[in-house]
Amino acid sequence: DIQMTQSPSTLSASVGDRVTITCRASQNVNNWLAWYQQKPGKAPKLLIYKASSLESGVSSRFSGSGSGTEFTLTISSLQPDDFATYYCQQYDNSQSTFGQGTKLEFK
Amino acid sequence: EVQLVESGGGLVQPGGSLRLSCAASGFTFSDHYMDWVRQAPGKGLEWVGRIRNKANSYITYYAASVTGRFTISRDDSQNSLYLQMNSLKTEDTAVYYCVRIRLGPTELKTFEFWGQGTMVTVSS
Repeated sequence: DIQMTQSPSTLSASVGDRVTITCRASQNVNNWLAWYQQKPGKAPKLLIYKASSLESGVSSRFSGSGSGTEFTLTISSLQPDDFATYYCQQYDNSQSTFGQGTKLEFK
Repeated sequence: EVQLVESGGGLVQPGGSLRLSCAASGFTFSDHYMDWVRQAPGKGLEWVGRIRNKANSYITYYAASVTGRFTISRDDSQNSLYLQMNSLKTEDTAVYYCVRIRLGPTELKTFEFWGQGTMVTVSS
C-alpha cells in the first residue's frame, strides 16, 4: 500500500499569512494527488486535483505543486474561512490513501 | 442538484452486521464509480472501497482493513449504493461517507462530491 505522510500535523497561523503544507508519498503516485479541506462536522471538499489543478469554484488563494512523491499545498493569504483541516490523497491506483491531516489553527 | 444521502447507520454490537445505503440524485448515477470513505471520531479519513460502473464490470476494491468483511454493491435502477458490513469490530466505529468519483481518465478520478455521512457505532 502507498503511505501518505503530511507535515506538519498542526499549523498555527494568522489571517493574511502564507502557509504551506507538505505531503510525501511512499512511492511515485504519478501526480495523481488531491487536496481536500474539511471543517468540523462537514464532509471534505475537493480543492486541488492532479497535484496542481484548481477545482472549479475554489479560491485562487489555494495552489498545489509537486510531482512524484513530494507535494505541497499553499494558501497565499489566509482568510478566516480557511482555518480547517487539510488532507492530501493519492488516487494513483485502485487503493486510494489519505494523509493523516493537517489542522490549521489560529495563532 | 447533485445529492448523496446516506442512511442505515446506528449502534451495533461487535460481531454484528449492518447495511448502509446511499441514495443518489441529480446526476447519471450509472455512469460513475462510487466509493465509501470513513472517519473515526476525531481521526482522519480512511478509504474503505470502490465499485466501478457497469461498463467496467462493477469491479470492486477494498482497503485491507475491511477486505473479507465488507461488500460494496449498487443498484443502478434505484440510483443506490450499498455497503454491507459484517463481523463488525469496535474499530469500525466511524462516520461513513458515500462519494462520487469524477468521470474521466485516472488522472481526473478524484472524489468530487461527498454525502454528509452516516454514523456507525460498534459497541457492546
